[in-house]
Amino acid sequence: KAGVTQTPRYLIKTRGQQVTLSCSPISGHRSVSWYQQTPGQGLQFLFEYFSETQRNKGNFPGRFSGRQFSNSRSEMNVSTLELGDSALYLCASSSQGDGGTDTQYFGPGTRLTVL
Amino acid sequence: SQKIEQNSEALNIQEGKTATLTCNYTNYSPAYLQWYRQDPGRGPVFLLLIRENEKEKRKERLKVTFDTTLKQSLFHITASQPADSATYLCAPPVSGSARQLTFGSGTQLTVLP
Repeated sequence: KAGVTQTPRYLIKTRGQQVTLSCSPISGHRSVSWYQQTPGQGLQFLFEYFSETQRNKGNFPGRFSGRQFSNSRSEMNVSTLELGDSALYLCASSSQGDGGTDTQYFGPGTRLTVL
Repeated sequence: SQKIEQNSEALNIQEGKTATLTCNYTNYSPAYLQWYRQDPGRGPVFLLLIRENEKEKRKERLKVTFDTTLKQSLFHITASQPADSATYLCAPPVSGSARQLTFGSGTQLTVLP
C-alpha cells in the first residue's frame, strides 16, 4: 500500500497570506489527523477528521481549519499567516485499528516558512 | 491536567550499548502507550504499542516496558547502531479518548561509532 502523501513538501509565504495543504491518507484509512511541529513546542495536535466530520480539535486559533472529502483526502488551511506559523505540518492517517488503539501513520510533512 | 515527560532531551551512547529512554506521565492512566521514531525533516514512524495489562513488549532489538504503578514507560534499544540515531517520541492517548494521541517532546538519541 502506498503511504500517506502530502503536498506540497515545501512552501514559502509572507505574513497575511493564506495557505492550503493537502494530505492523501493510506488507502482504506478513514481518519486523518493534522499536527504542527516546531522546535519549541514539539508535536502539537491540530484536528482530526473522520468520515468528513471534524471529530477532535486541538488548542489552535480559528485561523487553522480543515476539511475532509468523501475519498478521505484532507486539506488544511491557515489564513492570515503569522511568522509563528512557520513549522513542519504533518498529516497522519489511521485505520481506527484493533482494540480501540489508534496507530498513526505519518506523511513526510509540509515545511511552511512564513516571511 | 495530564502531562507527558520524556527525560533527557538528548542521549549519547556508544555503539553496541543499550540505550534506555524514559517516558513519564502524570494525572491520568492511559490504556496504552506507543513509541515512534522520527528522523530530521520527516514524519514519525510507529515502532511499538504496549497496553496497560502488558508489562513488556519486544520487537527485534527494541523492548518497551509499561509500569502503571510508577506511571512510566521505558524504551530500550539493545546492541545500538549509528543507524538508530533519531528522535524517539512516546505517545499515550489523550485522557478520555482511546484514539487521539498526545506526543512527548522526544529524546534525541545519538549512537556514536
